[in-house]
Amino acid sequence: AQSVTQPDIHITVSEGASLELRCNYSYGATPYLFWYVQSPGQGLQLLLKYFSGDTLVQGIKGFEAEFKRSQSSFNLRKPSVHWSDAAEYFCAVGVNNNDMRFGAGTRLTVKP
Amino acid sequence: NAGVTQTPKFQVLKTGQSMTLQCAQDMNHEYMSWYRQDPGMGLRLIHYSVGAGITDQGEVPNGYNVSRSTTEDFPLRLLSAAPSQTSVYFCASRGQGLGYTFGSGTRLTVV
Repeated sequence: AQSVTQPDIHITVSEGASLELRCNYSYGATPYLFWYVQSPGQGLQLLLKYFSGDTLVQGIKGFEAEFKRSQSSFNLRKPSVHWSDAAEYFCAVGVNNNDMRFGAGTRLTVKP
Repeated sequence: NAGVTQTPKFQVLKTGQSMTLQCAQDMNHEYMSWYRQDPGMGLRLIHYSVGAGITDQGEVPNGYNVSRSTTEDFPLRLLSAAPSQTSVYFCASRGQGLGYTFGSGTRLTVV
């Protein structure tokens, strides 16, 4: 069955430090992959997506993610974290052209 | 554009009551979905629609009904509310090949 795993429930980084959030998926075909961010009390906002082509994708707010087929991973990165990046981040895989399966989320705390 | 609009934002129901969560989008998107979000479980798909008149079940459909009479609207009905349906509900829509646009959510408490 299709699934998405985000191994880290909570991550704390210092402002200005680099960030990597991990995402692993299980899916038989080439997946559509997404990262979303959710601020407290808000809906989800799309950060970036991968459908095909270049495996390094750029998103909004300075985020990027790299698709690694051999590792079934789609990790999210940012070179320098800002306090406003504190939020919950969800990785998702698109299945059957509409169904989307989400990971459980990683909560990011940014220390001053 | 308003995007995806959900109403109400908050609701408290008694066990056994029924209600409808409203969702409307003004982007002419074909695909619409309902998700519920529970702590530590991410978002789980309840029902989805690939166009007006077409709906299908997702991962956790029991206790919920949907209909899609127009492209714009995709209401979610709780038939007989149960405490297990206490959750935050998100409606989302997308066009071809795009990521979803989410509404701001409805926080439902069933007592």
